[in-house]
Amino acid sequence: DAGVTQSPTHLIKTRGQHVTLRCSPISGHKSVSWYQQVLGQGPQFIFQYYEKEERGRGNFPDRFSARQFPNYSSELNVNALLLGDSALYLCASSLEGQGPSYSPLHFGNGTRLTVT
Amino acid sequence: AQSVTQLGSHVSVSEGALVLLRCNYSSSVPPYLFWYVQYPNQGLQLLLKYTTGATLVKGINGFEAEFKKSETSFHLTKPSAHMSDAAEYFCAVSGAGYALNFGKGTSLLVTP
Repeated sequence: DAGVTQSPTHLIKTRGQHVTLRCSPISGHKSVSWYQQVLGQGPQFIFQYYEKEERGRGNFPDRFSARQFPNYSSELNVNALLLGDSALYLCASSLEGQGPSYSPLHFGNGTRLTVT
Repeated sequence: AQSVTQLGSHVSVSEGALVLLRCNYSSSVPPYLFWYVQYPNQGLQLLLKYTTGATLVKGINGFEAEFKKSETSFHLTKPSAHMSDAAEYFCAVSGAGYALNFGKGTSLLVTP
């Protein structure tokens, strides 16, 4: 079975631009979460979506937004990119939407975003 | 709020030696604790998790961790290190919410 797939794998953008990252969950998984991992740090929670609805949001500015589609895939959008947005963006899927304590997260390999 | 602190950003062990990676947690509610491993240019893989019940948790690849409430610790161990264990290890905690709160990670180096 295919795991969580993310595209693209690498991306270079300029400050002020907009970026869209994509994620396809494991087949049968209904929930998608997004995490940001800055170099040398642990991942930080951005969003969780379940059945197309936002269930949780981390401490990120409104420049960050996401959505989930009927096939449970998801997009993460970041507007007005800053140098500090350079990071590995990880998508994780889970069967249900209760949170990682009840429904384990399965991570993709991430999208490496570089903002210049 | 829940948080974890990983003691030691880098740990080096010889092949065949004991691996001990330290994690202390802070939580206002009963914590759910996790260890993840990240190999270069890859995502995170769950090694093991503690929810409730038995305090000694066995995971994949020969790793195990013990939940010690009195010490607020959840240290990861493996009796004998293998070269393939070299990776970044993350401790994480969650409560009833939707977020996993990760530590800063410990890089494990295994020398021949």
